[in-house]
Amino acid sequence: AQSVTQLGSHVSVSEGALVLLRCNYSSSVPPYLFWYVQYPNQGLQLLLKYTSAATLVKGINGFEAEFKKSETSFHLTKPSAHMSDAAEYFCAVRGGSEKLVFGKGTKLTVNP
Amino acid sequence: NAGVTQTPKFQVLKTGQSMTLQCAQDMNHEYMSWYRQDPGMGLRLIHYSVGAGITDQGEVPNGYNVSRSTTEDFPLRLLSAAPSQTSVYFCASILRTGSRDGYTFGSGTRLTVV
Repeated sequence: AQSVTQLGSHVSVSEGALVLLRCNYSSSVPPYLFWYVQYPNQGLQLLLKYTSAATLVKGINGFEAEFKKSETSFHLTKPSAHMSDAAEYFCAVRGGSEKLVFGKGTKLTVNP
Repeated sequence: NAGVTQTPKFQVLKTGQSMTLQCAQDMNHEYMSWYRQDPGMGLRLIHYSVGAGITDQGEVPNGYNVSRSTTEDFPLRLLSAAPSQTSVYFCASILRTGSRDGYTFGSGTRLTVV
């Protein structure tokens, strides 16, 4: 079975500061890992995905994530936060079946 | 190519009423699924389908029924609505089993049961 733990339900950063959203996963088989973003009152948009190719994955809007098998982590980073990055971010894992299992989400606030 | 279309966008039901949430995709995706989103809970899988005529239960299936008579449509039925089913519902699909793609999500249905 797969599971995802997102550390920190709320993260607050200043505009221009580093964004780091943490995600740890559990999977009995090599996983596919995803980060999604949800802006207020909208659906989910795929930010990036890891599917067993390069361990450093670049996504949209300047985000990237690094797959670390030894740490079972897939943390999301962005060097410099923008006000438009304020949203809720979900980490998700898929392995062994098509079911996508989500973490509980991290709400990112960007302060001017 | 509209992607995944969900209707209605908003709905208010009285306890005990039934209704169907519609989901349609025009991408010829084999796999379709329904999630509910509740604050602090992330998204939880209700039901899913790996192809026409095949459905299975997810993590939170109680109170919901699904069917998949065509590849395109995957409706979610609430048999007797309860306040605990107040939530935002998302339909999502992926091309086929084994695909490395991310899911494509609909824009959601916000349901309130009073």
